[in-house]
Amino acid sequence: QKEVEQDPGPLSVPEGAIVSLNCTYSNSAFQYFMWYRQYSRKGPELLMYTYSSGNKEDGRFTAQVDKSSKYISLFIRDSQPSDSATYLCAMRNFNKFYFGSGTKLNVKP
Amino acid sequence: GAVVSQHPSRVICKSGTSVKIECRSLDFQATTMFWYRQFPKQSLMLMATSNEGSKATYEQGVEKDKFLINHASLTLSTLTVTSAHPEDSSFYICSAKIPDRGGEQYFGPGTRLTVT
Repeated sequence: QKEVEQDPGPLSVPEGAIVSLNCTYSNSAFQYFMWYRQYSRKGPELLMYTYSSGNKEDGRFTAQVDKSSKYISLFIRDSQPSDSATYLCAMRNFNKFYFGSGTKLNVKP
Repeated sequence: GAVVSQHPSRVICKSGTSVKIECRSLDFQATTMFWYRQFPKQSLMLMATSNEGSKATYEQGVEKDKFLINHASLTLSTLTVTSAHPEDSSFYICSAKIPDRGGEQYFGPGTRLTVT
């Protein structure tokens, strides 16, 4: 079983839709949770970073962590074509990071 | 957010030669840097963790003699691919962690290596 599971997609939505991206994990020791956005042929860009269970909002993005279910989500409101990218979830335990395989999102104008 | 740069962004080399990739943290000191490899349409594969002033810790299956990592200063880590072969062609990405901060890891823009 992988440490982090993420649906690879692709996920295709119309512009303006609410997007929900999810990851599950198996290690209850994970303490930090991150979402990265990666455009084609570019390095990942940190979008959201959370430490505890609950919600964290930043503009159109909301990160949600449910440690009891070992489940994290990233919501994108009013999605734009510029949001089209691959989204990676990541988790950290001590100095080791674990990444999901990435979900490819396509927002159609 | 913190800025991490990589150089070169693209490199083409002949089989058997060595290539050095630089990773710099521009506005913070990074005691820990990471080197990843990414194949097309796949996620990041951690190759090694680089700690300033000490030997890198390589992941299982990564040849330390082939992928030489040096972290000589708090702002610079280098990855040298020695005796490159076509199967080493890939996208190499470095990242750096801000000391004393939780889980944030900032990535460089990546280096696309093509070995002919």
